[in-house]
This record gives sequence, structure tokens and C-alpha cells, in this order.
Amino acid sequence: EDQVTQSPEALRLQEGESSSLNCSYTVSGLRGLFWYRQDPGKGPEFLFTLYSAGEEKEKERLKATLTKKESFLHITAPKPEDSATYLCAVQTNTGGFKTIFGAGTRLFVKA
Amino acid sequence: DAGVIQSPRHEVTEMGQEVTLRCKPISGHDYLFWYRQTMMRGLELLIYFNNNVPIDDSGMPEDRFSAKMPNASFSTLKIQPSEPRDSAVYFCASSNGLANYNEQFFGPGTRLTVL
Repeated sequence: EDQVTQSPEALRLQEGESSSLNCSYTVSGLRGLFWYRQDPGKGPEFLFTLYSAGEEKEKERLKATLTKKESFLHITAPKPEDSATYLCAVQTNTGGFKTIFGAGTRLFVKA
Repeated sequence: DAGVIQSPRHEVTEMGQEVTLRCKPISGHDYLFWYRQTMMRGLELLIYFNNNVPIDDSGMPEDRFSAKMPNASFSTLKIQPSEPRDSAVYFCASSNGLANYNEQFFGPGTRLTVL
């Protein structure tokens, strides 16, 4: 069964304290791995797509990386406005556009 | 563009009643997705359409749930009869399969409470 597991469930950081969020996946064949950000009371907002091991994408203080078994979302010198839930999701080669989401990591950044 | 539009934003109903959730995707997008989000199960895909045709409805939990897309600018998710365990936030999302099918644009969601 295709599965996506995110860790930790919650992460509390001080402003400027860099860290990483993990997304491990077990799928029959990876078509793409996605990162979304979700603010309270809102729908998820797309951040990145990664297709193959070794690929990296960056956006402001965020950098996403991909290996054959997991993906990391690195947050460099976070600010309070980076506080949100970060969701990881996958699409498989046999699943069409079916998207499987992980449970998310809630990030809190304190000033 | 106004983005994905969902209505109503909040719905409170009693068990056994019919509930209809509505979605207007972004103009030009040919994929439409319905998701349900709960604390226990996270974000789950219920069904998705391509060019108004249902492609995968394996996530629809029961026959009480049905979804339609009569045209490219409108979709509904209906629950009949509703039960308390259907309480959740329901999201609609759309994407452009030709441009970047990976990027799904989500609506603000409908928070459903079934008493």
C-alpha cells in the first residue's frame, strides 16, 4: 500500500533557528513528490514538486530535497511568518493523478 | 482570477439531511479534485475529474457520497443522508493538466458539521 509519513508531528523553533522536516514514502513507483503549506482556516498552497532522487528546489528560506526513500524540507533562518502546517504528498506511476498526502508537520516559529 | 471558489464556507446540518457542497474551479483548469480533511485522517482524496469526467472515485467513502461535474466551471459533492462522522473540512482543488498538473490550487474549504 502506498504510504506517506511525515515527522515530526510538530516542531517549535526560535526565529533564526534552522531545521528540517522529513517526509518518508513507500510507493510502487514515484511519479512526483510535492510540498504544500497550509495556514489555519485555509486550503493548502503549493510549494514544490520533485521528480527524481537528487533533485533540489528552493524558494526563499525553504529548500526541498529528494532521495529514493524520503524528502526533506529545510528551513533556513525561519521567521514567525513561516509558522504553518507543511504537507508532503505523492503521486505514483500507476495512480494517475491520485494524490496521497501525509499527516503534516505543524511548525511554530517564535520571535 | 478569483481562484477556486467554494460554497458554502460553513454548513451545519442535522443527521439524515442532504448536504450539497459546491465548487467553481479556476477557469481553464481541466482537473478538479475533492478532498476531505479531518484531524484523525488528514487530507484524503475523495474523487477527481478530468474534462468533467470522473476518473478515480476510489476515495469516496460510501454510497451516501456522490459528485458531479456538469460543466467545466461547476462541480458538486453531495452527501445523502449525512451522518455525524461526515463532519470535516471539504476542499475542492483544480489544476491545469497541460501546464503543470502537479500544482493543485485549493479553495478555502467548506467546514461541515453534522449534528
